Formats: sequence, C-alpha cells, structure tokens
Amino acid sequence: AQSVSQHNHHVILSEAASLELGCNYSYGGTVNLFWYVQYPGQHLQLLLKYFSGDPLVKGIKGFEAEFIKSKFSFNLRKPSVQWSDTAEYFCAVIAFSGGYNKLIFGAGTRLAVHP
Amino acid sequence: DGGITQSPKYLFRKEGQNVTLSCEQNLNHDAMYWYRQDPGQGLRLIYYSQIVNDFQKGDIAEGYSVSREKKESFPLTVTSAQKNPTAFYLCASNSHPGEETQYFGPGTRLLVL
Repeated sequence: AQSVSQHNHHVILSEAASLELGCNYSYGGTVNLFWYVQYPGQHLQLLLKYFSGDPLVKGIKGFEAEFIKSKFSFNLRKPSVQWSDTAEYFCAVIAFSGGYNKLIFGAGTRLAVHP
Repeated sequence: DGGITQSPKYLFRKEGQNVTLSCEQNLNHDAMYWYRQDPGQGLRLIYYSQIVNDFQKGDIAEGYSVSREKKESFPLTVTSAQKNPTAFYLCASNSHPGEETQYFGPGTRLLVL
C-alpha cells in the first residue's frame, strides 16, 4: 500500500534558521506531491505542489520543495524561517493506480519557531 | 465568497448518540471528502464522494455514514458504533478526483462527554 513518511514529528528552530522537513513516499509509479500547512486555528491550506516539469517547486511565503524521483522524496525547505511559520506541515501524495486516486497524508511535522 | 463551510465548530456527543457534522461548498466541485485528524497520525480518509448520489468508503469508514443528495452538501454522521470519535474532522472538495488540489474547510472538533 502507498504510504507517506515524515521523519520529524516536532522541529524547534530559532528565527532566521534554515528549515528542511523530510518527506518520503512509497510508490513506484506516477505521483502528484503536495505540502499543506495548518497554522494555529486556521484552515489546512496548500503550500506548494508538484505535478510535472521542474522538480524544484516554489510555493507561498518563501517555501520550496524538491522532488527527487530516485529517492522517492519531496523535502520542504525554507532558507530563513520566521516566527509566523510556526504551524503543522503535512506532506501528501496522490498515487495514480487506476480507479480512484487517493490523497495520502503523512503524519505531519509540528514546527515551532522561537523569536 | 467561495469556499467550504463546516458546522458546528465544536460538537459534543453523549455515549450512544449519533451526531451529524455539516459540510457545504459553493465551489461547484464534484468531489468531496471527509478526513479525521488525530495528533501524530495526519489525516485519514473516512468517506469520499465523486459525484452526487454516490460515495465510497475510505480507510476508516467503520462507525461513520454519509450522504450526498446535493452537489454542495456532504454531511457526515458519527454513529454510536464509532468507539473513539474524539477527533478533528475536516471536509474537503475538489473539482474532480485525482490530480487537482483539495480545498479544506475549517474543521469540526468532536468531543465525547
């Protein structure tokens, strides 16, 4: 069965530190990849997505992610975090396997940024 | 304003009681979804509906039921058979199943008294 692994459940950083959140998926076929973010008390919202083309995708608020097919990875990065980046981040994958193509979420990573 | 609304924001359930969570969208989306969010487990799919009058079980459908009588509405009933209903429930929709981005509602937190 397809699955998504997020390696870090909790990350604590100081402002201006660099961020990298790991995401690996288990599926050998075509995938669409997403990072969603849930700020405290807010809707789950899309941060960025990869469907095809340039494997380095840029999202909102200075985030980017790189799809490395050979590593089955889609890590999220930001060069310099801000206190307002404190949130929970979810990696998600759609694995195309015929029939219904389900969106599969990782367990999430809680990021706390200290001023 | 286009979007997804969920009500109520908080819901309390007594033992043995069925409760229904509302989800409405005015995005003209065909597909709608219900997820359950638990700490450390991410989002798990309960039910989904690709078109009106059709719905399918997700990964954790036991103890839940849904209906899709109208395109814009996809209510979720948490039945007394669901033994651990305390969770945050998220409704989502997209224009069609598969590659399109899903858009999420604000969620309903269900607590058991």
